[in-house]
Parts: sequence; structure tokens; C-alpha cells
Amino acid sequence: DTVLTQSPALAVSPGERVTISCRASESVSTLMHWYQQKPGQQPTLLIYLASNLESGVPARFSGSGSGTDFTLTIDPVEADDTATYYCQQSWNDPTFGAGTKLELK
Amino acid sequence: EVQLVETGGGLVQPGRSLKLSCVASGFTFSSYWMYWIRQAPGKGLEWVSSINTDGGSTYYPDSVKGRFTISRDNAENTVYLQMNSLRSEDTATYYCAKDRPTEGIVFAYWGQGTLVTVSS
Repeated sequence: DTVLTQSPALAVSPGERVTISCRASESVSTLMHWYQQKPGQQPTLLIYLASNLESGVPARFSGSGSGTDFTLTIDPVEADDTATYYCQQSWNDPTFGAGTKLELK
Repeated sequence: EVQLVETGGGLVQPGRSLKLSCVASGFTFSSYWMYWIRQAPGKGLEWVSSINTDGGSTYYPDSVKGRFTISRDNAENTVYLQMNSLRSEDTATYYCAKDRPTEGIVFAYWGQGTLVTVSS
């Protein structure tokens, strides 16, 4: 299985720029996707194929990377962005990172 | 509008069985693979199973292989998850999901989830 490693938590102030990283245990090309999950809700797709913004998602969100290292960037961060963010690879059987909990100061 | 509605969750004793259902609408159900993904309380997401368009091919991770069975009824726009020999570690919210084939296995649409609690 491809293991995805994310930092567990981040705390930023509104208006700042935040980057959330995801490292794969093997190359997944650009078959990496990002989801946002707010408490008590199902996940929602933010970015697909590493850098493509899902329809309806604010342009404050962007994604980059290929191979084993990927980044989700939120710039600027807003209060509503408080959530847990998951990466997911589809190079082989789908696996998810453990999630990065984003809190606002 | 794509809608996925899961039902069938509840409290079940270890070793017993439970069958989840997911009714889909808003798209041509028979043309899409379908998936189940779960999330244990306070934990991350885990892919549980996949089924192709005609139900002839199914896939599972080792954690549920041999115990869980995914199936579908294209006439009823429904995908099922039969869960046997349930364990405490199967306690989770189970989500039904749909992908977008042109972009690989990207879970573009999710249901609201149904909670399964395995406990005596």
C-alpha cells in the first residue's frame, strides 16, 4: 500500500498563507487529490490530480506537486477554513493521509 | 444534482452481520463505479470497497477482505455493503462515494454517511 504522511496540525491567523504537505511512500505521479472535512460533515473535494481546482471551490485554494511530494496551499486563510484536510492517492488502491487539522488563532 | 443516501447503520454485536445500502440519484448510476469509505470515530478515512459498473469486479483492502461484500442493483440505483463477522474495529461512519472516471479514483461525491457501532 502507498502510505501518505501529513503533518498532524497547524495553527495560523486569518489572512495568512498556509501550506499543508503530503508525502507519498512511492511515486504516485500526479494522482493526488485533496479533501476538506468540517466537523460532523462528509469530506468534500478541493483539488484533483494534484493541481486542479474543483468547481465551486474558492481560488484561495491551490495544489502542487508530483511524484512523492505534494502541497495544498490556502492563501489567504479565512475563519471558515477551520477543518481537517486529507490527501488521497489513486496510483494504486486508494489510500488517504491521516489528515492535517487546521486551526485558526 | 448528484445525491447519495446511505442507510442501514446501527448497533450490532461482534461477530454479527449488517447490510448497508446507498441509493443514488442525479446521474446514470449504471455507468459509474461506486465505492464505500469509512471513518472510525475521531480517526481518518479508509477506503473499504469498490465495484465496477456491472458488478462483475469488486475490490477490497486486506482489512475487510473475506468479511465484506459490495454489490449493486442498477435497476434500483443502489449499492450495498454486506458486512459479516463484524469486529469492534469496524466501528465507523460508512460513506458511499462516486468518482469521476476521467480523473481516476477521485471521490467527487459523498453521501452523508451511516454510523455502524460494533459492541456487545
